[in-house]
Amino acid sequence: DADVTQTPRNRITKTGKRIMLECSQTKGHDRMYWYRQDPGLGLRLIYYSFDVKDINKGEISDGYSVSRQAQAKFSLSLESAIPNQTALYFCATRGPLSDTQYFGPGTRLTVL
Amino acid sequence: GQNIDQPTEMTATEGAIVQINCTYQTSGFNGLFWYQQHAGEAPTFLSYNVLDGLEEKGRFSSFLSRSKGYSYLLLKELQMKDSASYLCAVRDRNDYKLSFGAGTTVTVRA
Repeated sequence: DADVTQTPRNRITKTGKRIMLECSQTKGHDRMYWYRQDPGLGLRLIYYSFDVKDINKGEISDGYSVSRQAQAKFSLSLESAIPNQTALYFCATRGPLSDTQYFGPGTRLTVL
Repeated sequence: GQNIDQPTEMTATEGAIVQINCTYQTSGFNGLFWYQQHAGEAPTFLSYNVLDGLEEKGRFSSFLSRSKGYSYLLLKELQMKDSASYLCAVRDRNDYKLSFGAGTTVTVRA
């Protein structure tokens, strides 16, 4: 089984709809991250969390919110989706003694 | 903040060597990472440098010069499966966040 899973893997929605992307991990890591990836722009950090009670904004948090329901789960919500939120979204985790972030398989979101 | 630059594309022949350069400007440096990403897939960790010098891992090596704000990833004995995007990322020493470059797409030709 994969250590970091994301659901859904693909989603097409319409402008104005509320969307939730979910991330779960079995690595026992305390740190979790949400990124979006756009062609030519690389990965950009949306939100990150160091534990259940610690949520922090990244460089592009406007239009997004997150929830850390448990150490293993970190959800990203788009309250009212807009077309420029069309992107590939990745969840990542990191343990306290690890230098490496481990990425989930990604969610491809299209907002029409 | 971080400002990270790497070439957009590179092409090389199977069996050859390719060097991907990465330059960065940062307010607080705490390590440089290289990730490999095949099209439509998740980035996977390749290497990590925090001190100056060369780190070698099989066919892949990574070099860091902190005084120059410069790193490179060296891919030797290229194989077709090495065709991918290579991402340079710098970690901030204050909050341990990673900032990524836009990635370099390497195409390996027979």
